[in-house]
Amino acid sequence: QVQLVESGGGVVQPGGSLRLSCAASGFTFSNYGMHWVRQAPGKGLEWVTFIRNDGSNKYYADSVKGRFTISRDNSKNTLYLQMNSLRVEDTAVYYCAKGWSDYYSDQWGQGTLVTVSS
Amino acid sequence: QSALTQPASVSGSPGQSITISCTGTSSDVGGYNSVSWYQHHPGKAPKFMIYDVSKRPSGVSNRFSGSKSGNTASLTISGLQAEDEADYYCSSYTSSNTWVFGGGTKLTVL
Repeated sequence: QVQLVESGGGVVQPGGSLRLSCAASGFTFSNYGMHWVRQAPGKGLEWVTFIRNDGSNKYYADSVKGRFTISRDNSKNTLYLQMNSLRVEDTAVYYCAKGWSDYYSDQWGQGTLVTVSS
Repeated sequence: QSALTQPASVSGSPGQSITISCTGTSSDVGGYNSVSWYQHHPGKAPKFMIYDVSKRPSGVSNRFSGSKSGNTASLTISGLQAEDEADYYCSSYTSSNTWVFGGGTKLTVL
């Protein structure tokens, strides 16, 4: 079955950097686009970024554009999120999600918590 | 990229039906049939419930149905059950090649 396991979360100071990873299994990773979605404490889901299956196109929410970079290594079945210039408001649980039919996310990981605090 | 508008909470008794609305603009909900709904039990992974406005992925109960009129999509849950108590989020593809979620609706089964 599909498994998505996020890692790399932790506590970082404002202005710092962090790289999240998402290890995928149970499906042909290179055939699917992938999303990162986050949920701040007590808040709703917020879409963050998407990458096409071959890495040819990447899209970002305005709130992270220029600071976050999505990438993937299809040989390692792994999705990444490089987060730079972190702000307190980036504190959230970050989920990776498998894309489906171009427009949806049909499988999600359990999430990894990122806390930005001094 | 403003969040889609959902009611903060809805409630219903077991066996009843409830409807959750999701209002956007012509640049998202109104402009595309790429509307989806997710069920989220806190601490767990969100679950994909509805796509293409009204279609159910395999394995999702037919008690869940979706519709859309203009810039507003809706999720209806019929025959409410205790396990339906969760947060529900709508989502839409947008004209900016991005995605947007609703603010979420907490469903309480009384």
